[in-house]
Amino acid sequence: AQTVTQSQPEMSVQEAETVTLSCTYDTSESDYYLFWYKQPPSRQMILVIRQEAYKQQNATENRFSVNFQKAAKSFSLKISDSQLGDAAMYFCALESNYQLIWGAGTKLIIKP
Amino acid sequence: DVKVTQSSRYLVKRTGEKVFLECVQDMDHENMFWYRQDPGLGLRLIYFSYDVKMKEKGDIPEGYSVSREKKERFSLILESASTNQTSMYLCASSFGSRGFSYEQYFGPGTRLTVT
Repeated sequence: AQTVTQSQPEMSVQEAETVTLSCTYDTSESDYYLFWYKQPPSRQMILVIRQEAYKQQNATENRFSVNFQKAAKSFSLKISDSQLGDAAMYFCALESNYQLIWGAGTKLIIKP
Repeated sequence: DVKVTQSSRYLVKRTGEKVFLECVQDMDHENMFWYRQDPGLGLRLIYFSYDVKMKEKGDIPEGYSVSREKKERFSLILESASTNQTSMYLCASSFGSRGFSYEQYFGPGTRLTVT
């Protein structure tokens, strides 16, 4: 069975510092996609980063980058220079074998 | 700018009522999705549609049905609402062929309370 695990229900970070959110997954497929989505309080869910499994290079999007370890089935999200607007629920998701599996989410708190 | 709208932000219904949740997207996306979101459970797919009049069951379709008569509109129907259907309902849409590998664009959600 395909699974996605976000082991940190809640994380906090000081403004301007760096934080890493963890995500591990399990799939028997060799070709798949991984996503990080952000859901700010009372606002719409938006895509942060998308990673194709066959691409070795880690995806980046401005202050957001991933550490994709295919052999370890790990897909962590690093947020650099944290800002108050980064406060949100972050969801990791795995697309594999025509299914999209979501993690339970990590609530990120930014301390001013 | 992609826009996905949902008919209500908050809805309160009584047990046994028939409930309609509407979702409209304005970017000509082929795929549309209905999820429910519960704390600690992430998002769970109820149904998705990859074309007009085409639908497929997701992980938790029991107690729900859907309708897609036009490409831009995807409706979720609770035939007889029950208290265990109290939840946040999210609609999403995406480009591409049938599947989940493309970015999904989400609506603001409908928080449904069934009393």
